Amino acid sequence: QQQVKQSPQSLIVQKGGISIINCAYENTAFDYFPWYQQFPGKGPALLIAIRPDVSEKKEGRFTISFNKSAKQFSLHIMDSQPGDSATYFCAASLFSGAGSYQLTFGKGTKLSVIP
Amino acid sequence: DAGVTQSPTHLIKTRGQHVTLRCSPISGHKSVSWYQQVLGQGPQFIFQYYEKEERGRGNFPDRFSARQFPNYSSELNVNALLLGDSALYLCASSTGTAPIYHQETQYFGPGTRLLVL
Repeated sequence: QQQVKQSPQSLIVQKGGISIINCAYENTAFDYFPWYQQFPGKGPALLIAIRPDVSEKKEGRFTISFNKSAKQFSLHIMDSQPGDSATYFCAASLFSGAGSYQLTFGKGTKLSVIP
Repeated sequence: DAGVTQSPTHLIKTRGQHVTLRCSPISGHKSVSWYQQVLGQGPQFIFQYYEKEERGRGNFPDRFSARQFPNYSSELNVNALLLGDSALYLCASSTGTAPIYHQETQYFGPGTRLLVL
């Protein structure tokens, strides 16, 4: 059972445009929602994360919007650059005690930013 | 500071063989998690260890096992390899000590790419 659904599967954006990736979750016990960026041949790297009691978080060109009632969250990349071309994963974390939490990932969105 | 390191980087095995993958966490981190990432998919949780104890297990068969050593490094073992075990195996480390509302960041290594023929 896929608990985190991510869309679109791939995205092509022109340089300077806005990239938007959406995720929806099912388990209301999730308590942390990070986004990871992965380049080919590398492990995922944390990009930005949000707690469920916050509706929006912005770090530089990256913004997470969070809608708790709809169980949806999204990543916005402003002024997209060719260097942003990578695969992006949304994730949700379930905490159950010290050292006991796990990430459930979406299937990923391959972003290509064209000049 | 060194990040999470994994070895080997690449591995080719044949069906039925056994494999051991290794992970060294970031210095000071006591929690290690293992994930399997099949090509074109997101990582899937396999195990989490904290202070040398298993704290979580994903939906993987008993052919998969792991352990954490006193220095907090970890091994992932897979027995009786199947073609479907071909994937990138990722290790992630974190401090493991954050209270519930100060969520932790998991830092991923570059992974071990396993090919089963």
